[in-house]
Amino acid sequence: EAGVAQSPRYKIIEKRQSVAFWCNPISGHATLYWYQQILGQGPKLLIQFQNNGVVDDSQLPKDRFSAERLKGVDSTLKIQPAKLEDSAVYLCASSPGGLSGEQFFGPGTRLTVL
Amino acid sequence: AQSVTQLGSHVSVSEGALVLLRCNYSSSVPPYLFWYVQYPNQGLQLLLKYTTGATLVKGINGFEAEFKKSETSFHLTKPSAHMSDAAEYFCAVSSNAGNNRKLIWGLGTSLAVNP
Repeated sequence: EAGVAQSPRYKIIEKRQSVAFWCNPISGHATLYWYQQILGQGPKLLIQFQNNGVVDDSQLPKDRFSAERLKGVDSTLKIQPAKLEDSAVYLCASSPGGLSGEQFFGPGTRLTVL
Repeated sequence: AQSVTQLGSHVSVSEGALVLLRCNYSSSVPPYLFWYVQYPNQGLQLLLKYTTGATLVKGINGFEAEFKKSETSFHLTKPSAHMSDAAEYFCAVSSNAGNNRKLIWGLGTSLAVNP
């Protein structure tokens, strides 16, 4: 089966610009996660969707970050305006649900803010 | 609340030597435990997981981990390191938040393999 797809793989922008990332989860996976991973650190959950509803966005900086999952499949994460500290890898993961909570990850998008 | 502690942010071994990456967890309920690996410029890949049943879990690339409830540990081992094992390794525990489960992550251990 196809894995989690993300695009673009790399993005370089100037501070105060906007940027958007796209994620296509594994077919049939109801739960989708966006993580931020700063160099040398573990993944930090930004937002969790169950189908097209938000389950947890407690760590999403809502003044500049937004995310949506229309029709409960693809998702986009947007940053507007970007700050230098947003430089990180943005990981998308999906899960089929179930008790274990296993997640399947995409390759990530590496964002550099200059 | 659940948490994960990975002892040692950096581990260095020689090629052919035993790999031991340590993970301890805290959980008020029986945990589901995971080890993920992240190669440079890639996403996270599941190495192995413990849910229920056998406490010694075998994963991909020759890795295995043993769930020890009495020690609240889930250490990752591999008998003989290869150069290709150099990567970042993350231990995680699945939160018991009903159907909307999350993974609680350790800070990661960077494994270096020396020739």
